[in-house]
Amino acid sequence: GDSVTQMEGPVTLSEEAFLTINCTYTATGYPSLFWYVQYPGEGLQLLLKATKADDKGSNKGFEATYRKETTSFHLEKGSVQVSDSAVYFCALSGTGRRALTFGSGTRLQVQP
Amino acid sequence: GAGVSQSPSNKVTEKGKDVELRCDPISGHTALYWYRQRLGQGLEFLIYFQGNSAPDKSGLPSDRFSAERTGESVSTLTIQRTQQEDSAVYLCASSYPGYNEQFFGPGTRLTVL
Repeated sequence: GDSVTQMEGPVTLSEEAFLTINCTYTATGYPSLFWYVQYPGEGLQLLLKATKADDKGSNKGFEATYRKETTSFHLEKGSVQVSDSAVYFCALSGTGRRALTFGSGTRLQVQP
Repeated sequence: GAGVSQSPSNKVTEKGKDVELRCDPISGHTALYWYRQRLGQGLEFLIYFQGNSAPDKSGLPSDRFSAERTGESVSTLTIQRTQQEDSAVYLCASSYPGYNEQFFGPGTRLTVL
């Protein structure tokens, strides 16, 4: 079945550092890929998405590129802020399936 | 309402009791999903509704779990004879027909003592 693997956290960075959170997936066909974010005390929010190979999703300075050849969708941000501290979840929606398959989440802590 | 709402926000129950969790999706969203998030883990899919029917129930962990949806709106997730391993945050999401972007509610935190 479909699966998503994320790097283990927590990831601790200083403000203005470069962020990469790795995400790889296993799925048949051409899934849609998502990053969701869960800020402390808040619900899950969609951060960005990509629906086909080589698409780049972007939002709030975050980017991720759908790489079919490496089955990856790594999340990047050039300069993190304290307000980016949250748990980030990579997810996919498989071909012909509506439910999302989530990774285990990566906690990001940004220190001033 | 503006977003997906869920009630109660917190529920503490004793082992063996039944619980009902409610979800109100965004108006016009015909697709509705239930997920479970155990502490420190990712979300596990439970069930998907399209309208009032459930074409995908593959994530329900046992026959103690059931869900229904009426009027293409409110959904109720029922857990019978709760066990301690049922303790988790139960999340509901909804989406427009034909769109795969899901909008999540704040969740119900269930604690089984």
